[in-house]
Amino acid sequence: SQQGEEDPQALSIQEGENATMNCSYKTSINNLQWYRQNSGRGLVHLILIRSNEREKHSGRLRVTLDTSKKSSSLLITASRAADTASYFCATALGGNNRLAFGKGNQVVVIP
Amino acid sequence: DVKVTQSSRYLVKRTGEKVFLECVQDMDHENMFWYRQDPGLGLRLIYFSYDVKMKEKGDIPEGYSVSREKKERFSLILESASTNQTSMYLCASRRAGMGQETQYFGPGTRLLVL
Repeated sequence: SQQGEEDPQALSIQEGENATMNCSYKTSINNLQWYRQNSGRGLVHLILIRSNEREKHSGRLRVTLDTSKKSSSLLITASRAADTASYFCATALGGNNRLAFGKGNQVVVIP
Repeated sequence: DVKVTQSSRYLVKRTGEKVFLECVQDMDHENMFWYRQDPGLGLRLIYFSYDVKMKEKGDIPEGYSVSREKKERFSLILESASTNQTSMYLCASRRAGMGQETQYFGPGTRLLVL
């Protein structure tokens, strides 16, 4: 079943600008993950935030989690042309090993 | 680095053919997954496997079956391919257990059924 929903669906920015994407979900989660997919390729894991964490950083990535609002945001700072990709949030539910993916958020960084 | 490979990047088959999509991972992961990805629908889970010879239906198992005879290999089978199975198929694996939530994906197989 579809859990994560990203917003906005498509984003076009200039190189050097920041890109922010949001994800909402419906049920309680153990953790939330963000993945990147370059055109026609598989997904690559970017960052994971657990339900008891509020903010996490990894290089130019910053992710926040608000469990009261059931939402997360991914910020990419100082974007580069190589950041052009689709970004998916995925939620891990309960005790099983499944992830529920959102529909994806396409980001285009213009050089 | 974890490596997940898929047998084909592109595949063209005819309606009614039996199709095998193979996925191999080299990190001794217990869990393996098959997704399909379609525009506007995101990733949808077809089947997953907790361990060798174990399988569980995902959200859209109809028209598919799977096989996990060896730990490193997870096969997706389309018994009789149909045009609505034209899609991008992604395999993933992960290690079982707490703190091992990351899934590692293969490059995908783009299947066209004519």
